[in-house]
Amino acid sequence: QVQLVESGGGVVQPGRSLRLSCAASGFTFSSYGIHWVRQAPGKGLEWVAVIWYDGNDKYYTDSVKGRFTISRDNSKNTLYLQINNLRVEDTAVYYCAREGNSMDVWGQGTTVTVSS
Amino acid sequence: EIVLTQSPGTLSLSPGERATLSCRASQSVSRGYLAWYQQKPGQAPRLLIYGTSSRSTGIPDRFSGSGSGTDFTLTISRLEPEDFAVYYCQQYGNSPRYSFGQGTRLEIK
Repeated sequence: QVQLVESGGGVVQPGRSLRLSCAASGFTFSSYGIHWVRQAPGKGLEWVAVIWYDGNDKYYTDSVKGRFTISRDNSKNTLYLQINNLRVEDTAVYYCAREGNSMDVWGQGTTVTVSS
Repeated sequence: EIVLTQSPGTLSLSPGERATLSCRASQSVSRGYLAWYQQKPGQAPRLLIYGTSSRSTGIPDRFSGSGSGTDFTLTISRLEPEDFAVYYCQQYGNSPRYSFGQGTRLEIK
């Protein structure tokens, strides 16, 4: 079945880096754009970034530009999010979501906690 | 950036009643690219409606979307117990600048 599975979250100190992964299965990964969306504890959804199907176009929300890098490896059916210089306000569940009629398939999320 | 404002913040209704959720945009949503999502505690969001009024695969027909320009509505015709959740609207007409509303919590009265 169509599935997205995130991994790579954890507890990290401010200023450190982390790389999140999103493994896709059940569909032709290389044909779809993929988003990262995050949700801080008890808060709403925040769009973070998107990468187009071929990896040639990438867009970010203003608050993460320069610290977050979205990338993909279509040969491995995997999406990545490199997060540098982590801040306390980056604490959230990070979801990947497929671009299809907006966001039609979501992973279960991976939790990032930034704390000293 | 298009800002989406949802109302009410919390809606208290009983099973069997009709729910009407509102989403207002700070500027016109291009091509009617407005979606609605449902999120239950501890779960990922689920796409309900896209393109203002099209139901996603497997979504019951008690869910319907309407609207245009800056004003959009999600209607649940007869609430089932499993419908009590948080609902988010999202615009994707201003791609690649996406934005979500702050959510409406639908709770059992």
